[in-house]
Amino acid sequence: GDSVTQMEGPVTLSEEAFLTINCTYTATGYPSLFWYVQYPGEGLQLLLKATKADDKGSNKGFEATYRKETTSFHLEKGSVQVSDSAVYFCALRWRGNKLVFGAGTILRVKS
Amino acid sequence: DAGVIQSPRHEVTEMGQEVTLRCKLISGHNSLFWYRQTMMRGLELLIYFNNNVPIDDSGMPEDRFSAKMPNASFSTLKIQPSEPRDSAVYFCASRPPTGGGSNEQFFGPGTRLTVL
Repeated sequence: GDSVTQMEGPVTLSEEAFLTINCTYTATGYPSLFWYVQYPGEGLQLLLKATKADDKGSNKGFEATYRKETTSFHLEKGSVQVSDSAVYFCALRWRGNKLVFGAGTILRVKS
Repeated sequence: DAGVIQSPRHEVTEMGQEVTLRCKLISGHNSLFWYRQTMMRGLELLIYFNNNVPIDDSGMPEDRFSAKMPNASFSTLKIQPSEPRDSAVYFCASRPPTGGGSNEQFFGPGTRLTVL
């Protein structure tokens, strides 16, 4: 079945460091891909998305490019801030309305 | 605009008791999703509705769990009887009608359930 694999956390970085959170997927077709963010005590919020190969989603300085050849959708940010500390979820949607989430990656940014 | 509203935000109950979680969709949305989040299993889809009709309940763990949409804007998730292993954070999410462009799911703040 469809699945999403994320790098394990927690990821701990200093402020202004470069961030990469790896995400790969398995799907029988060409799914839409998403990154969601969950701040402490809150629900998930859509961070960015891409719906077809080579699309780049971007928001709040975060970017991710849909790579069909490597079935990947890695999240990147050039300079993280303490306020980016959260849990990040990669997800796909294919063949219907259901989102399939990865396990989530905890990001901790220290000042 | 008000987002997805869930109540209660926290619930502590004893094993064997009935628990009812509530969710109010964003106005104009017509799809509703219930998720459960635990450290062990991550984020799991329990059930989702489209236009008040349950479409896929394959994630509902067992008969102790039931979900309803008595109207287009409101849903309940009931656990009867509750067990300690049901302790988790339960999220609902709503989505606008498809074809409008977004297809984004909007999550509520969650209900943290603790069953003693």
